[in-house]
Amino acid sequence: DTAVSQTPKYLVTQMGNDKSIKCEQNLGHDTMYWYKQDSKKFLKIMFSYNNKELIINETVPNRFSPKSPDKAHLNLHINSLELGDSAVYFCASSQEWGRAGFSYGYTFGSGTRLTVV
Amino acid sequence: RKEVEQDPGPFNVPEGATVAFNCTYSNSASQSFFWYRQDCRKEPKLLMSVYSSGNEDGRFTAQLNRASQYISLLIRDSKLSDSATYLCVVNMPRSNSGYALNFGKGTSLLVTP
Repeated sequence: DTAVSQTPKYLVTQMGNDKSIKCEQNLGHDTMYWYKQDSKKFLKIMFSYNNKELIINETVPNRFSPKSPDKAHLNLHINSLELGDSAVYFCASSQEWGRAGFSYGYTFGSGTRLTVV
Repeated sequence: RKEVEQDPGPFNVPEGATVAFNCTYSNSASQSFFWYRQDCRKEPKLLMSVYSSGNEDGRFTAQLNRASQYISLLIRDSKLSDSATYLCVVNMPRSNSGYALNFGKGTSLLVTP
């Protein structure tokens, strides 16, 4: 029973297209996140949501729009895809409140490998 | 100064060796610290939390020095299966009063027979 599941696992698409990545967690966690891991393997926070409320919105182009219909789901929609968007996108969840300085650690999904051609 | 800084390696060690990884972080107000492990083309997985008093989990020992903002991980009796990238991770404030885990770039370990 997968704790944090993302779909699709692989996504190959042309520049200019719009695509979505879905994430679901069954851990009962309150906070969910999107991270981007680029070709240099650097993991960077993009967004966090706490029980449907947007908490963190890092310097991400506004072509990226997260949506959280409920606390178990956090989707990522990307408009007008560019070559530089090619990366692995990881969803994660944690049980603590998104504004807490203390963390129990995050559980990650297996990632979505996005290739823009 | 980078928020979480690690030596990228790679560290190539023989089976049975002891290997140590170090990490420094920039935000003195950080409260939570971790080591994660990431295998090739997989997601990061929590290896262990790091506490001020130091903590051990089998062959793995983690240390935290808050005064010098320094974290370490020691792996004793290395196994082939320890080959992976080890990520130093610190919970830090971000935009809108939110907190998130900040990842170092990782240190690559290859254990050879």
